Amino acid sequence: DTGVSQDPRHKITKRGQNVTFRCDPISEHNRLYWYRQTLGQGPEFLTYFQNEAQLEKSRLLSDRFSAERPKGSFSTLEIQRTEQGDSAMYLCASSSTSGGRPPQYFGPGTRLTVT
Amino acid sequence: DAKTTQPTSMDCAEGRAANLPCNHSTISGNEYVYWYRQIHSQGPQYIIHGLKNNETNEMASLIITEDRKSSTLILPHATLRDTAVYYCIVREQNSGAGSYQLTFGKGTKLSVIP
Repeated sequence: DTGVSQDPRHKITKRGQNVTFRCDPISEHNRLYWYRQTLGQGPEFLTYFQNEAQLEKSRLLSDRFSAERPKGSFSTLEIQRTEQGDSAMYLCASSSTSGGRPPQYFGPGTRLTVT
Repeated sequence: DAKTTQPTSMDCAEGRAANLPCNHSTISGNEYVYWYRQIHSQGPQYIIHGLKNNETNEMASLIITEDRKSSTLILPHATLRDTAVYYCIVREQNSGAGSYQLTFGKGTKLSVIP
């Protein structure tokens, strides 16, 4: 068990560019979550997948954001036409399906800076 | 999910027990108490969760009051590496309808002092 991994760990981009982040969950976990965290705040939920199906989306997930999990394993989060307000830590978590709602295990995050 | 209230910050001397309180007076019967912590610039780390019985694992103990309206996370021998923001989260455990998200508040910033 190598834990949840995220790539890249840091990304600096210019306003208006597109960025894509990748998350690899713990191998036997079929639930995957994306969160966003701005400075001084707790993480905020963005979206949730069970296998390849995106089952829940927050109203924070604007039209410029899209998440996929095509084969039910890794997931990508793309932000189009980035804005300075998108600067944040993007966190991925995964969990199993045993016992209802087991704990979510988080990756190290991708820190995005939009200049 | 029920709302939680935590102190903004706490200090603890290294080697002593750190007791972090959480109020969740509106908790319902099928909601569990979860604790996570976040060390600076890292992702949140799951610590422990429980329903009504006290729980203990290798990281911490969770004491839930009999009326379930509050709980305390205990780190028995705090070290400098325990300095972090600690989040208490209440959420429904049963699968089915309803959100799977975790709702984080601002947590308690615990500083372990040498």
